[in-house]
Amino acid sequence: AQTVTQSQPEMSVQEAETVTLSCTYDTSENNYYLFWYKQPPSRQMILVIRQEAYKQQNATENRFSVNFQKAAKSFSLKISDSQLGDTAMYFCAFMKRVWETSGSRLTFGEGTQLTVNP
Amino acid sequence: DAGVIQSPRHEVTEMGQEVTLRCKPISGHNSLFWYRQTMMRGLELLIYFNNNVPIDDSGMPEDRFSAKMPNASFSTLKIQPSEPRDSAVYFCASSRSGNTIYFGEGSWLTVV
Repeated sequence: AQTVTQSQPEMSVQEAETVTLSCTYDTSENNYYLFWYKQPPSRQMILVIRQEAYKQQNATENRFSVNFQKAAKSFSLKISDSQLGDTAMYFCAFMKRVWETSGSRLTFGEGTQLTVNP
Repeated sequence: DAGVIQSPRHEVTEMGQEVTLRCKPISGHNSLFWYRQTMMRGLELLIYFNNNVPIDDSGMPEDRFSAKMPNASFSTLKIQPSEPRDSAVYFCASSRSGNTIYFGEGSWLTVV
């Protein structure tokens, strides 16, 4: 079974500054995906970024980037130039990569509540 | 493209009543998931389907919960009878063959 751990229940950052959210996971799988989802007060789950475990290059989406350390099973999210709209709960998630069409499920961490202060 | 569509967005019902939540996955996606989110337990996977077939329903709390997927474009999650502890946000999500999972906006259920 997979587990995902986010050790920071809450974080805050000043607008325009950079913040890093931590995530560690445990798995015996070699092929998998890692995700960060954002959940603003509206409660909608929004995909922020995706990393494929077989890729060494860290994923980047505009102001969002990850530091993926496969050997250490670490997957942190860096938000640059933080904006007020980044205030949300952020969930780290793991999904085993499947080659057949049997589908796969997400395992979520507990979440980190990020507050961006003006 | 339309995302995952859920209805109703909000529902308030009395204890003992039947509740039906509905979901339309993204066209072309063959996996569908029902998650529940509460303050106490966070995000829990209730059940997921692949090609309309239930693959894992081990997260379904008890016999009061049932889910169906009669075709590739529609699924329901039913609670009968509902109880106050069922109050939560219920998310439907879909994906294509083990790729990224996309979520609907959620159905907020309050059982009084």
